[in-house]
Amino acid sequence: GAGVSQTPSNKVTEKGKYVELRCDPISGHTALYWYRQSLGQGPEFLIYFQGTGAADDSGLPNDRFFAVRPEGSVSTLKIQRTERGDSAVYLCASSLGLAMDTQYFGPGTRLTVL
Amino acid sequence: AQSVTQLGSHVSVSEGALVLLRCNYSSSVPPYLFWYVQYPNQGLQLLLKYTTGATLVKGINGFEAEFKKSETSFHLTKPSAHMSDAAEYFCAVSTSYGKLTFGQGTILTVHP
Repeated sequence: GAGVSQTPSNKVTEKGKYVELRCDPISGHTALYWYRQSLGQGPEFLIYFQGTGAADDSGLPNDRFFAVRPEGSVSTLKIQRTERGDSAVYLCASSLGLAMDTQYFGPGTRLTVL
Repeated sequence: AQSVTQLGSHVSVSEGALVLLRCNYSSSVPPYLFWYVQYPNQGLQLLLKYTTGATLVKGINGFEAEFKKSETSFHLTKPSAHMSDAAEYFCAVSTSYGKLTFGQGTILTVHP
């Protein structure tokens, strides 16, 4: 079946611009996670959705970052007033929702802020 | 709070040699532990995971890992390396609802 998909695969933007990154999880997966992976680092947690609600957004670095999942399926990560330090690969994962469940990752969106 | 330490950011082995990638974790609750592999320009793929029960876990591509609670370790091994094993490997620990905390990764290089 289809895995987790993310669009766009690459996004280049200028400092100060607004960007949206989309994640389409595996059908039936109630849990959705966003992570950020900087060069040479492991992925870092940003936000977790269970259904439509953000159950844990403690990893969002500041209020320029926001994510939604209005219908409990597709999620959008939104970044306002982008900064060069936001450049990274943004990963999305989905799972059945328990801690022991495997998270299936998408290929990521590589964001470059010039 | 959870944390993961992967000893050695780069490991180099010869084809056919033993692969050993080290992972130590810290967790305030009984952990769920995972190893993921990331090939160049690809997403993370699960190799294996420990949840409960048998402490020696077998995964895909001939990899296995052993959960040692007393040593807070979850090292990844493979008896004989193959060229196709060259990739970056991440150890991760999970919280009660699945939030993963990753180590910094180990890049495995396999020489002919």
